[in-house]
Amino acid sequence: QQQVKQSPQSLIVQKGGISIINCAYENTAFDYFPWYQQFPGKGPALLIAIRPDVSEKKEGRFTISFNKSAKQFSLHIMDSQPGDSATYFCAASRGKGTYKYIFGTGTRLKVLA
Amino acid sequence: GAGVSQSPSNKVTEKGKDVELRCDPISGHTALYWYRQRLGQGLEFLIYFQGNSAPDKSGLPSDRFSAERTGESVSTLTIQRTQQEDSAVYLCASSRPAGELFFGEGSRLTVL
Repeated sequence: QQQVKQSPQSLIVQKGGISIINCAYENTAFDYFPWYQQFPGKGPALLIAIRPDVSEKKEGRFTISFNKSAKQFSLHIMDSQPGDSATYFCAASRGKGTYKYIFGTGTRLKVLA
Repeated sequence: GAGVSQSPSNKVTEKGKDVELRCDPISGHTALYWYRQRLGQGLEFLIYFQGNSAPDKSGLPSDRFSAERTGESVSTLTIQRTQQEDSAVYLCASSRPAGELFFGEGSRLTVL
């Protein structure tokens, strides 16, 4: 019930393409779903987050799509760039900053120039 | 400092030795988290401190692991009698109540 399942494990995309990473959760008490971006040797940094009262959130080239009934959410990176090459983690929590975050296993994205 | 500070950044130790990892959160952040990241793996929750409340220790993998936090300041993660499977990056994060998580750059532990 505490798991967050993330796929794919790795992803290679051509420059300008769309990168899509998917996550699924089981615990319906989760109500905050952030995505983190991690570059080698650095800690994860918040990229974008969504709450279940909306089905989509867009910030620049990054979009989260949320399907509450299916308990799934996904990250779309439009016009992917080589600088987007990093590891991406989805996470889920009961509230923002008030409870432990459960992280997915990560997706290593490589964008080819 | 401006961000979450962790030390040491790298630690190499021999099996059976004790290690202490330190986290200095962002000033004013009441919540503090420790996560473990094994090579190529996700972030594994270890422990969560929130103000003066009892910590959530549900993620600590064994009684060799312990963590303390004094008030809303520095936290120390202690691993006793280290084993090779303890080798990982230990990440600390802090947040304001209902705020975004900010991570440090981690402490890389290698147990020989």
